[in-house]
Amino acid sequence: DTGVSQDPRHKITKRGQNVTFRCDPISEHNRLYWYRQTLGQGPEFLTYFQNEAQLEKSRLLSDRFSAERPKGSFSTLEIQRTEQGDSAMYLCASSWKNTDEQYFGPGTRLTVT
Amino acid sequence: SQQGEEDPQALSIQEGENATMNCSYKTSINNLQWYRQNSGRGLVHLILIRSNEREKHSGRLRVTLDTSKKSSSLLITASRAADTASYFCATDAGRALTFGSGTRLQVQP
Repeated sequence: DTGVSQDPRHKITKRGQNVTFRCDPISEHNRLYWYRQTLGQGPEFLTYFQNEAQLEKSRLLSDRFSAERPKGSFSTLEIQRTEQGDSAMYLCASSWKNTDEQYFGPGTRLTVT
Repeated sequence: SQQGEEDPQALSIQEGENATMNCSYKTSINNLQWYRQNSGRGLVHLILIRSNEREKHSGRLRVTLDTSKKSSSLLITASRAADTASYFCATDAGRALTFGSGTRLQVQP
C-alpha cells in the first residue's frame, strides 16, 4: 500500500497524559499537513511541512502541541497534558509541492477521558 | 475557522437521482476542491477546479465555480448507494486547505 498511513488508528488516554501520533506520507511527496476534525465538522488546519521545514502553524496549535518531520520523511504530532477538548480525529495529508491535491491518511481518533 | 459553508447540511435521495451540493466561501482563492469522506475514514480527493475555470467534469461529477459570487456546486449524476458519504468543499488560497462543514449525502437503494 503506497498511500498515507497513520498510527495508531485509535488512542484512548486519560486527561493530563501525553500522546504521540505518527504519519507516513506518500514517499515522493514533499509536503505534509496535519488537520483536526471534530464530529460533524470539516477538517481544520493545524500545521504543515515542506520537507523538514515547518512552514505554518494554525492558532489552533497551542503550546501543548508540537509537530516534527525529521529528515523530511515521516512526521509526528505530540499533544502534551491532554484535555477533553483534544478529543478529535487527527488527519494527516501529503502532496507534491507543485500540485494541489492532497492525499489523506485514515486518521487517528483520539479520545481523552 | 471554517471558510466554506456547504448547503444543504444533509441530503437524502433515491438511487439513480442526481444530487447537488453547494459551497460558499469568503476570500479569494487559487482553486476549490471537493473531497468525499466515508464514515470514520480519511478524505478522498474528487475534483479540483481552478479560479479561472467555470466548469469541470469527471465521470459522474460536475463542478461549477462562480468567483463573483464566491460559490461552487457539485453535481453527482445517477447516484448510487456507494455515493453515501459526507462531501466537503475546500478552498486553497496558497496555504493549507480550508474546509467547509460538509454535506451528508444518503443515497437510498
